[in-house]
Amino acid sequence: DTGVSQDPRHKITKRGQNVTFRCDPISEHNRLYWYRQTLGQGPEFLTYFQNEAQLEKSRLLSDRFSAERPKGSFSTLEIQRTEQGDSAMYLCASSPGRENTEAFFGQGTRLTVV
Amino acid sequence: AQSVSQHNHHVILSEAASLELGCNYSYGGTVNLFWYVQYPGQHLQLLLKYFSGDPLVKGIKGFEAEFIKSKFSFNLRKPSVQWSDTAEYFCAVTSYSSASKIIFGSGTRLSIRP
Repeated sequence: DTGVSQDPRHKITKRGQNVTFRCDPISEHNRLYWYRQTLGQGPEFLTYFQNEAQLEKSRLLSDRFSAERPKGSFSTLEIQRTEQGDSAMYLCASSPGRENTEAFFGQGTRLTVV
Repeated sequence: AQSVSQHNHHVILSEAASLELGCNYSYGGTVNLFWYVQYPGQHLQLLLKYFSGDPLVKGIKGFEAEFIKSKFSFNLRKPSVQWSDTAEYFCAVTSYSSASKIIFGSGTRLSIRP
């Protein structure tokens, strides 16, 4: 049990539909990250939060992607009008936010767009 | 911009062989360095980390890595691999000062022949 919880674990959706994923970080971790991972590749950075503030967003993220962390605790990642190219594993990670700390990853949400 | 290069895409070894996986990073400032491991069907787990001090760091399961600042490298080593080391290994870097996003390499898949 890593402590970072993601829901759902798997999602199959039709092209054009909207999907939303949830991430619950480790308690009291104020930094939260979203990554995307495709087969044979390393995790690609999407965005991260310090408490409720979204500090950086990757250029990889099109306007169809949005992430929130409204109360500085759990976060949601929404993909609108999904495309087949969105099929990937979406990873969430959290860290205490202090210097010299690592990130702890969840199990991920596997998205398949058909 | 930060980047991480992992030179070996797939490494195949026999049990008891020695292992060295290469990792080079590109970043002008002081960095934190990590190796993460992903066993089949499992989440990303931290193998070891370097923040400061002794450039030779030891991690779990007999792994170690050496930070060579002049070469911008952080190679992972293990003197004698086991079948259970079969996994994907990711090198990652983050800025020391801002503890910002973590950038991952593309990963090295390690297969161990029993």
